[in-house]
Amino acid sequence: AQKITQTQPGMFVQEKEAVTLDCTYDTSDQSYGLFWYKQPSSGEMIFLIYQGSYDEQNATEGRYSLNFQKARKSANLVISASQLGDSAMYFCAMREGRRGTSYDKVIFGPGTSLSVIP
Amino acid sequence: DVKVTQSSRYLVKRTGEKVFLECVQDMDHENMFWYRQDPGLGLRLIYFSYDVKMKEKGDIPEGYSVSREKKERFSLILESASTNQTSMYLCASSLYSGRTGLTEQYFGPGTRLTVT
Repeated sequence: AQKITQTQPGMFVQEKEAVTLDCTYDTSDQSYGLFWYKQPSSGEMIFLIYQGSYDEQNATEGRYSLNFQKARKSANLVISASQLGDSAMYFCAMREGRRGTSYDKVIFGPGTSLSVIP
Repeated sequence: DVKVTQSSRYLVKRTGEKVFLECVQDMDHENMFWYRQDPGLGLRLIYFSYDVKMKEKGDIPEGYSVSREKKERFSLILESASTNQTSMYLCASSLYSGRTGLTEQYFGPGTRLTVT
């Protein structure tokens, strides 16, 4: 069965510093994708970054990068140069498909609360 | 702009009532999802659908059912609401682009359901 683990319930980081949010996953599928979403206190879910299981390069989007280690089944999010607006909940998610259909199952981890300190 | 709307932002129901939560998306997405969000537990998948009339159980389907008669609409039904179903309910949709393609989800604003 699929499972996502985020072992850091809460994290603090100094403004302008880099921070790594951990995510490990468990799946028996060879084809899957990994996402990170941000949820600020306003409640909306904001897509940040995606990594497909067959992508050879680690994904990057601006200040966000995904440190993908397939053998270790980890997909950590790195935020460089933290800003006060980065304070939010961060969720790691995984999708699994099924060959020949548009079947798409996406599950989420429990989240990490990030607080950026001025 | 993709838009996912949910029928109510706040809902208060009594134990034993039948509750309908509706979700509508306007971008012709194949996939739709219902999650509940509780502090410390993240988003837990209740049901999802990858085509009209197709539904699959997620990780916590007990006490819930769903309906997808039209592509744009995905309804979550609580047949007999209980206090442990008090939660924030989030609907999401995504466009299928292959088994490994990028298919980020678009979320609705959520419905905060209180069962008393």
